[in-house]
Amino acid sequence: ETGVTQTPRHLVMGMTNKKSLKCEQHLGHNAMYWYKQSAKKPLELMFVYSLEERVENNSVPSRFSPECPNSSHLFLHLHTLQPEDSALYLCASSEDRGPNQPQHFGDGTRLSIL
Amino acid sequence: AQKITQTQPGMFVQEKEAVTLDCTYDTSDQSYGLFWYKQPSSGEMIFLIYQGSYDEQNATEGRYSLNFQKARKSANLVISASQLGDSAMYFCAMREASGGSYIPTFGRGTSLIVHP
Repeated sequence: ETGVTQTPRHLVMGMTNKKSLKCEQHLGHNAMYWYKQSAKKPLELMFVYSLEERVENNSVPSRFSPECPNSSHLFLHLHTLQPEDSALYLCASSEDRGPNQPQHFGDGTRLSIL
Repeated sequence: AQKITQTQPGMFVQEKEAVTLDCTYDTSDQSYGLFWYKQPSSGEMIFLIYQGSYDEQNATEGRYSLNFQKARKSANLVISASQLGDSAMYFCAMREASGGSYIPTFGRGTSLIVHP
């Protein structure tokens, strides 16, 4: 059983919709991450939060808006997405951001944009 | 330039045999961490093994071992006695320093299929 829970598991939305992805970690970790995984591409780091503060934003389009209200919860707000945004979105957490810290991942949300 | 290179898009192995998955990395840092993850078809990324840049001994975790050759910047994963449940994508990753924290970078992955 994973200590990182993502909801929903699957999401289909139109380009004009607004939706949110949710991630919750039960591991007491201080760092949380959003990744995008597309077919035939490396895992893309989108955002990193440490103790609710955003510390990394890898040139992600503004139609993706993260929110970290506390160290256990992370959201990814979506609006006016494009078909190329269809992908698996993975949330992860780690104890901190040190070099020896493995990440614990959720099952992901598979997003399809119509 | 790619930070993590996994040159084997796909690998096949017979059940109970050992298999080596290749990973090379590129960094000028002295302090960094190397990781391997497994991703079954269900999608969840599972942490397997970690090697620190200052560790002199190769890491081992059960049937997994990491063949760390620092001078060659190589961190190959060795799976001994393969099982059917080992069929999955395997990702090599590195954490190196970036603005006060250690940001993870992943390779493109290797698909492993274990035959009965």
